[in-house]
Amino acid sequence: AQSVTQPDIHITVSEGASLELRCNYSYGATPYLFWYVQSPGQGLQLLLKYFSGDTLVQGIKGFEAEFKRSQSSFNLRKPSVHWSDAAEYFCAVGAISGGYNKLIFGAGTRLAVHP
Amino acid sequence: DAGVTQSPTHLIKTRGQQVTLRCSPKSGHDTVSWYQQALGQGPQFIFQYYEEEERQRGNFPDRFSGHQFPNYSSELNVNALLLGDSALYLCASSSDRGGTDTQYFGPGTRLTVL
Repeated sequence: AQSVTQPDIHITVSEGASLELRCNYSYGATPYLFWYVQSPGQGLQLLLKYFSGDTLVQGIKGFEAEFKRSQSSFNLRKPSVHWSDAAEYFCAVGAISGGYNKLIFGAGTRLAVHP
Repeated sequence: DAGVTQSPTHLIKTRGQQVTLRCSPKSGHDTVSWYQQALGQGPQFIFQYYEEEERQRGNFPDRFSGHQFPNYSSELNVNALLLGDSALYLCASSSDRGGTDTQYFGPGTRLTVL
């Protein structure tokens, strides 16, 4: 079955520190992978996506993610966190069936940033 | 360029009632997907509309139905509301590319069922 696991429910980092949010997926074929961010009371904003090619993907707001097929992982990283990065982060896999794409999300990781 | 818009922002209903949520896709997009996000969880796929037809459906009962109009906007209808239907309902739009399309989300409609 297709699934996404985000092992860390809640992470707290200090402003200026580096960040890594973990994501593991289960999918039978080459996955399309996404990271979205959700601020309180808001919808989801796309940070970055991986379809094919270079396994290190650059996104908005200084985020990057690395696709590792051998580990079924797509971890999100940022070298220096800003207070405005506090939000909930969702990893998702695009599950294609009959040529149509639906997203399967993880449960999310809530990021808190200490000043 | 307006992104995905949803209305209303918030809605309060009682058990057994019916509700209609609305979504206008991003300009140039022809596919609309609906997701339910319960508190503290990730979004769950409800269904997807393309060319005014439902072409994919998640694990949701028939109480959940939808519609897509010729201008690509969409409605989500939920009948016989249950307390468990309380959630943030997200609409996402995309441009059909046979599976490689990227979905862009609206701000959501917060539904509370009392």
